[in-house]
Amino acid sequence: QVQLKESGPGLVQPSQTLSLTCTVSGFSLTSNSVHWVRQPPGKGLEWVGAIWSGGSTEYNSALKSRLSISRDTSKSQVFLKMNSLQTEDTAIYFCTRYFDYWGQGVMVTVSS
Amino acid sequence: DIQMTQSPSSMSASLGDRVTITCQASQDIGNNLIWFQQKPGKSPRPMIYFAPNLANGVPSRFSGSRSGSDYSLTISSLESEDMADYHCLQYKQYPYTFGAGTKLELK
Repeated sequence: QVQLKESGPGLVQPSQTLSLTCTVSGFSLTSNSVHWVRQPPGKGLEWVGAIWSGGSTEYNSALKSRLSISRDTSKSQVFLKMNSLQTEDTAIYFCTRYFDYWGQGVMVTVSS
Repeated sequence: DIQMTQSPSSMSASLGDRVTITCQASQDIGNNLIWFQQKPGKSPRPMIYFAPNLANGVPSRFSGSRSGSDYSLTISSLESEDMADYHCLQYKQYPYTFGAGTKLELK
């Protein structure tokens, strides 16, 4: 069945780079898009960006300068990299297959 | 960017009540909107796609509608399991944007 699972460090220092991995199963990355969505504690959802089935990417305009999304189709993995992290980037980060199936999310705290 | 203005931000209602939550789009989004339900500690669950279409397994008491730039999620008869946060998402234009969310609580 379709599954997505996020992994990555729970704690990142300010100004450092966040690296997250979304490992998927039950579907092909070459036929489906994967999106990243984040949610600061107690707040609403924010679309972060996406990688499409053909490999093209789209990013939240407010994050674009700091963000990179890529993939390894052979490993069924999608990667998110965000640099220059600030405390405002503290959030649960979700990956989702075009919003129908979602991972459980990974909590990322930006703190020294 | 397209702004999605969601209202109310929170509401309390009684079991059996009819409840409506609305998202207003700042630009035309066609019917390219998804409504999500999110319970504490859980991932969002899609409820309604492309404005009026129910996602698989969603009870028929949920419905979606559109009037101009206003998109509504209605629960016809509130049940206890419906207490959750609700979010709208427009996927007409990049960047995709969510409404601020509605917290639905039991009165």
